[in-house]
Amino acid sequence: AQSVTQLDSHVSVSEGTPVLLRCNYSSSYSPSLFWYVQHPNKGLQLLLKYTSAATLVKGINGFEAEFKKSETSFHLTKPSAHMSDAAEYFCVVSAYTGTASKLTFGTGTRLQVTL
Amino acid sequence: KAGVTQTPRYLIKTRGQQVTLSCSPISGHRSVSWYQQTPGQGLQFLFEYFSETQRNKGNFPGRFSGRQFSNSRSEMNVSTLELGDSALYLCASSLEATGGNGYTFGSGTRLTVV
Repeated sequence: AQSVTQLDSHVSVSEGTPVLLRCNYSSSYSPSLFWYVQHPNKGLQLLLKYTSAATLVKGINGFEAEFKKSETSFHLTKPSAHMSDAAEYFCVVSAYTGTASKLTFGTGTRLQVTL
Repeated sequence: KAGVTQTPRYLIKTRGQQVTLSCSPISGHRSVSWYQQTPGQGLQFLFEYFSETQRNKGNFPGRFSGRQFSNSRSEMNVSTLELGDSALYLCASSLEATGGNGYTFGSGTRLTVV
């Protein structure tokens, strides 16, 4: 079994300030972890992925995430928010059981960026 | 290269009708998954196909079914539509059987049941 908890349903930051979106996970298997972003009326775009290589993962648009196994966390950060970052962000865990794979999504964090 | 293509983009159906949604994965991708997104339930897994075989199914009633063709294109069918089936249906494809490198999502089909 696997689950994902996004600790904040809504985060508001000022443009130019750091962004932190928090995610905790649990999985019975060795998981792969992802962050996806969804802009209004759009599909999901992959921001970054952790697949058991480096624990600090760099993604697109200046986003990073650090995999901490001891804390079962995979928080998403960005040093300086931009207005275009306003969107919904999903933390996702993928597990392959040997016969099937499945994505489990967090409930999402809506990021608001103000001037 | 072309991304994941879902058709149609928008659909309005009446309660009791049935609907078929289509998903064309990225060329070479053999794993296709379907998800339902609603404001109340968020993103929920429907099913996953690999090489024409359904490998995994989410907790949805039997009215929801799907299939995958030899060219990896997939269809999802919902019979006897209910108002609660109104949602954004997303399809995603992956190159590997494990999905470990992530899935690419289509833009979705927004289904409205009236």
